[in-house]
Amino acid sequence: SQQGEEDPQALSIQEGENATMNCSYKTSINNLQWYRQNSGRGLVHLILIRSNEREKHSGRLRVTLDTSKKSSSLLITASRAADTASYFCATEQFSGGYNKLIFGAGTRLAVHP
Amino acid sequence: KAGVTQTPRYLIKTRGQQVTLSCSPISGHRSVSWYQQTPGQGLQFLFEYFSETQRNKGNFPGRFSGRQFSNSRSEMNVSTLELGDSALYLCASSGTGGKGNIQYFGAGTRLSVL
Repeated sequence: SQQGEEDPQALSIQEGENATMNCSYKTSINNLQWYRQNSGRGLVHLILIRSNEREKHSGRLRVTLDTSKKSSSLLITASRAADTASYFCATEQFSGGYNKLIFGAGTRLAVHP
Repeated sequence: KAGVTQTPRYLIKTRGQQVTLSCSPISGHRSVSWYQQTPGQGLQFLFEYFSETQRNKGNFPGRFSGRQFSNSRSEMNVSTLELGDSALYLCASSGTGGKGNIQYFGAGTRLSVL
């Protein structure tokens, strides 16, 4: 079952613009992670935000977390064509005594030169 | 440090056959997780292995199985292939797979079932 749901499903912007992607989830979490996937390749970890954090930055990435609304957002500032990829949020779900990552459906971002 | 290596990169099989996919984790990583990715279902968790033991399992039929060796390398096997098994199979490794662990993914094996 998918824990995170991304919104929008697809986003098309021009280089230099900001891109915002949202993620909603259903159950309590320990942390939330964002990953990027270039077409048909493996996922690359971008950033992890813990449940007691509200905002985190990494380069041009800014992630916010609102545990009361069970939602997170990923902002990419000054986007570049190389940012074209799918972006997934992933939440840790405690199951059978161990943690596993549950991924959302992803947002497909296209950045046009 | 070498990344996660998955072999083969591409596979074409016919219905009813079986297939084995291989994953070599990052050196020192003991947790290996497998995911199936399809356009319709997204990324679905298959199972996770740690120190040769399956710790977690997703909602997949028994045709999907896996194992992990003492060197942490892992294999997954799909028997009696169905058309719906066509997907990108991703393997990910992490240090211990515990809370807050980041997963490092391989490039995947693309399986086509004809």
